[in-house]
Amino acid sequence: NAGVTQTPKFQVLKTGQSMTLQCAQDMNHEYMSWYRQDPGMGLRLIHYSVGAGITDQGEVPNGYNVSRSTTEDFPLRLLSAAPSQTSVYFCASSRPAVGPNTEAFFGQGTRLTVV
Amino acid sequence: GENVGLHLPTLSVQEGDNSIINCAYSNSASDYFIWYKQESGKGPQFIIDIRSNMDKRQGQRVTVLLNKTVKHLSLQIAATQPGDSAVYFCAENPGSNYQLIWGAGTKLIIKP
Repeated sequence: NAGVTQTPKFQVLKTGQSMTLQCAQDMNHEYMSWYRQDPGMGLRLIHYSVGAGITDQGEVPNGYNVSRSTTEDFPLRLLSAAPSQTSVYFCASSRPAVGPNTEAFFGQGTRLTVV
Repeated sequence: GENVGLHLPTLSVQEGDNSIINCAYSNSASDYFIWYKQESGKGPQFIIDIRSNMDKRQGQRVTVLLNKTVKHLSLQIAATQPGDSAVYFCAENPGSNYQLIWGAGTKLIIKP
């Protein structure tokens, strides 16, 4: 099984550009989420989805959009990139959402630099 | 606001010794806690979890202890090995919206 696959692994954007970070999982998990990780800090939740067609905001949603048209895919869109969005982005999936025996599987991360 | 924090940002341990990584949380409503391990250049990896109705849970070479009285969580790693070198995160579920709140992480360094 591939698990959680994120693309690209690295990306450099200019301020104001838009792009989409891709995330796909092949474990039929209902719950998917996007985090950002900044140096010396823990993960902060950007957006999450508890199933196809359902998305919700996390702790730091501003500047990002998501959609969940299928169970497998959960893309993250940066609308107009800003230097403050320079970070490492992780996608995760799990089943069930949160609770006992919830093991979240993470992708390898996307290192994004906005110049 | 309420958050999860860690006492020590870096912990150095002799290979073969036991490691204890600590975590403080302030949200008394949290009912579920998880420890993750993150190796350099990789995504976090689940280690072990515990519910608030338990005070101890054991896995393979790892034990998580929960002290709700003082809102403290710890991860014990027995016979620490070089492969245990990583940053360890605790996370809590405050009981709403499926969201986890993550601590800042503790870097575990293994001395040969």
